[in-house]
Amino acid sequence: QSVLTQTPSASGTLGQRVSISCSGSRSNIGRKDVNWYQQLPGTAPKLLIYNNNQRPSGVPDRFSGSKSVTSASLAISGLQSDDEADYFCASWDVSLNNWVFGGGTRLTVL
Amino acid sequence: EVQLVESGGGLVKPGGSLRLSCTASGFTFSSYSVHWVRQAPGKGLEWVSSISDSSRFMYYADSVKGRFTISRDNSRNSVYLQTNSLSADDTAVYFCAREGGGFDLWGQGTLVTVSS
Repeated sequence: QSVLTQTPSASGTLGQRVSISCSGSRSNIGRKDVNWYQQLPGTAPKLLIYNNNQRPSGVPDRFSGSKSVTSASLAISGLQSDDEADYFCASWDVSLNNWVFGGGTRLTVL
Repeated sequence: EVQLVESGGGLVKPGGSLRLSCTASGFTFSSYSVHWVRQAPGKGLEWVSSISDSSRFMYYADSVKGRFTISRDNSRNSVYLQTNSLSADDTAVYFCAREGGGFDLWGQGTLVTVSS
């Protein structure tokens, strides 16, 4: 049972916009920033969004992040076949003194 | 090339130990905190432990506290994870990651399999 809650799966068609949610609490997302990671099959995770809505160099602006109170969202516009991957949210939990991850959302591009 | 490379994984019997290593290159290693994150087969990511740039601060997940010890040697650009009293629940790929605005650099991972 993950501290951050994500829906296990999501899907969209080529060119579509999809949104992936991440629900937490006052001890994590409510007080700390959220980061998002993309994990392609068989590879290490890659940082996609940090500090709620910042993109590292090299990440296309099709990816965007937002946060509201104790929840966060990752939006992907102009969906491409290469976007088919697992997506994880993460935040620091001030009560646990731990980083916590969501269980992950597997995105399928139809 | 900026990279992290893990090593030290393998097959170990329940109750056994392994020392994992994470060696950095291409950046100023001593300026960054480093984390270990693991992923059991077919499962999600689980944060395991972290160590600050100067080793002043170390944190552990409850699931490994008292069994795992993190350390670093900045002269060798390396972070280590000593894993003791291993059980089947510790079977996973172990990644090390640099913290620089999120975990912005990851290694390829090293597989730890705990089985008799």
